[in-house]
Amino acid sequence: DVKVTQSSRYLVKRTGEKVFLECVQDMDHENMFWYRQDPGLGLRLIYFSYDVKMKEKGDIPEGYSVSREKKERFSLILESASTNQTSMYLCASRARYGYTFGSGTRLTVV
Amino acid sequence: QKEVEQNSGPLSVPEGAIASLNCTYSDRGSQSFFWYRQYSGKSPELIMFIYSNGDKEDGRFTAQLNKASQYVSLLIRDSQPSDSATYLCAVIMTTDSWGKLQFGAGTQVVVTP
Repeated sequence: DVKVTQSSRYLVKRTGEKVFLECVQDMDHENMFWYRQDPGLGLRLIYFSYDVKMKEKGDIPEGYSVSREKKERFSLILESASTNQTSMYLCASRARYGYTFGSGTRLTVV
Repeated sequence: QKEVEQNSGPLSVPEGAIASLNCTYSDRGSQSFFWYRQYSGKSPELIMFIYSNGDKEDGRFTAQLNKASQYVSLLIRDSQPSDSATYLCAVIMTTDSWGKLQFGAGTQVVVTP
């Protein structure tokens, strides 16, 4: 089975901090995704990557950037964290059938 | 119009009964359809996928696809309290050049003992 690992389950950061969320998959998949999920708003795509060093904006990229230096690792960066970025962040990797999600990172910005 | 639509619920189902969840999609050319289950505070997990018209069964779950009517449904037979979760429908749209999954907002299912 594909394993998608997110480095942190819970994070608390201060407003203005630079925040790194890490995601690693173990199946050499080309496509990886970052979503945020908020109550009543469903899954919203922030960024996705279709190969090393390749990225595309999703629906809500403002305030975020990403990095994919190696195929297995896709990082989400909050350049200057704000309270409205408090959310559940989900990383996904595209498997043969659908996506496999990591366990999620619940980020609180105070 | 949203690309993938689901009733938000909650759908209350007595234990042992059949839960019926519906999903409609806007792109008539869509070919691939997925159902995810998400427990509160957890990440989505894939439970079914279907590509062809008709029914596909896996244990207590049955996915039904009707491309002409542009809907896909999920039936959960003999519902258990452990089935209480939010169920997300996802579709690969031909209108998306990257072939990304488009997710519905999810239907919350509550199975009552």
